[in-house]
Amino acid sequence: SVLTQPPSVSAAPGQKVTISCSGSSSNIGNNYVSWYQHLPGTAPKLLIYDNNKRPSGIPDRFSGSKSGTSATLGITGLQTGDEADYYCGTWDSSLRGVFGGGTKLTVL
Amino acid sequence: QVQLVESGGGVVQPGRSLRLSCIASGFTFSSAAMHWVRQAPGKGLEWVAVIFYDGSNQYYADSVQGRFTISRDDSKSTLYLQMNSLRVEDTAVYYCARDRMTGGDYLDYWGQGTLVTVSS
Repeated sequence: SVLTQPPSVSAAPGQKVTISCSGSSSNIGNNYVSWYQHLPGTAPKLLIYDNNKRPSGIPDRFSGSKSGTSATLGITGLQTGDEADYYCGTWDSSLRGVFGGGTKLTVL
Repeated sequence: QVQLVESGGGVVQPGRSLRLSCIASGFTFSSAAMHWVRQAPGKGLEWVAVIFYDGSNQYYADSVQGRFTISRDDSKSTLYLQMNSLRVEDTAVYYCARDRMTGGDYLDYWGQGTLVTVSS
């Protein structure tokens, strides 16, 4: 994938986890980043847009940040219902979408 | 509420064609850019194509350029993906998604997906 994410992360219920997303100046460095939660067999769900904004209905346990050519998704107060695949996304200089390879979150 | 419902998936032989549809409701379809995104078995999300709100521009992933065509019929609030010269590696769940732009573009609503299997 164009954007690099760790394949998996894990933490205990109630704990905090961060998921990194690394790109380049041709994508993250010059564009906003969004984050999506995906449970197999369901529609992906927007979690974060414009680097750090949450759509209505997304709890403030989810946060996003961006610095240079990298972005980070943070999840606090982990719940078993947070177990899912998480993807970062942005655009490249040719107006094409790019996603990270996805990170599987396990809540131990 | 916004709804996107894909259809048209199925099993097809390599080299053949298939057309996917995505019926939109709950918003002004003609005002939104629309995307197709796919997920191959065991793989991550892969962006496929976008069409601007007015149909003036379309962009494609390199992996489908020249084989797939994205189009829209605003009178039917429907997005299409014409897939020609299908390959085994096109096997995936295909999602349509609505584009929203505030600071940047992002995909705020997605459909449930339709499965395309390319196999002999």
